[in-house]
Amino acid sequence: DAGITQSPRHKVTETGTPVTLRCHQTENHRYMYWYRQDPGHGLRLIHYSYGVKDTDKGEVSDGYSVSRSKTEDFLLTLESATSSQTSVYFCAISESTGTGDEQFFGPGTRLTVL
Amino acid sequence: DAKTTQPTSMDCAEGRAANLPCNHSTISGNEYVYWYRQIHSQGPQYIIHGLKNNETNEMASLIITEDRKSSTLILPHATLRDTAVYYCIVRVHTAGNKLTFGGGTRVLVKP
Repeated sequence: DAGITQSPRHKVTETGTPVTLRCHQTENHRYMYWYRQDPGHGLRLIHYSYGVKDTDKGEVSDGYSVSRSKTEDFLLTLESATSSQTSVYFCAISESTGTGDEQFFGPGTRLTVL
Repeated sequence: DAKTTQPTSMDCAEGRAANLPCNHSTISGNEYVYWYRQIHSQGPQYIIHGLKNNETNEMASLIITEDRKSSTLILPHATLRDTAVYYCIVRVHTAGNKLTFGGGTRVLVKP
């Protein structure tokens, strides 16, 4: 399995509090992604990174920010958590090659915002 | 990315081959067929991908029709641990390109 860890794995927080989720990889892959998964919506891309300090928005980026100061770490921050951000968050990594750019996923973080 | 159509669910007997179909009639010439699966409460897992030739790896085989409008994922000897939702995704190889998961096929492997 690809070396991807997410922390915390579970978190319960209150509306209005800041929350930071961490994704750590040991594969030295260039690309990293944050998705959220909700019933009825499948996986939706929040933000992604194509290198240190290089990030871009996905389809559901409102209310989220990211940072990548090192190749191995990609942080997702909810500046002021809302109940609509209750979800399961998955980090993924990939390294595009000439024959593919398969993404490998972490175990997920289950976030509950009360 | 082209749209895919998969059956909602299917059952398979343990030890038998599981054949999962996927239709992608609007696929473009530069789009690849990817398969992922998601076992309950886990992150999605990459299985295999291909462009036009059949592909095989340690997990599965991928058969793509000559016109590329459909494909079949084959799990040669299904085990109970293969119970999962399987997603067929068609996409180009663009760096940073997101994955778009549709409904997938819920596969239940029975003893």
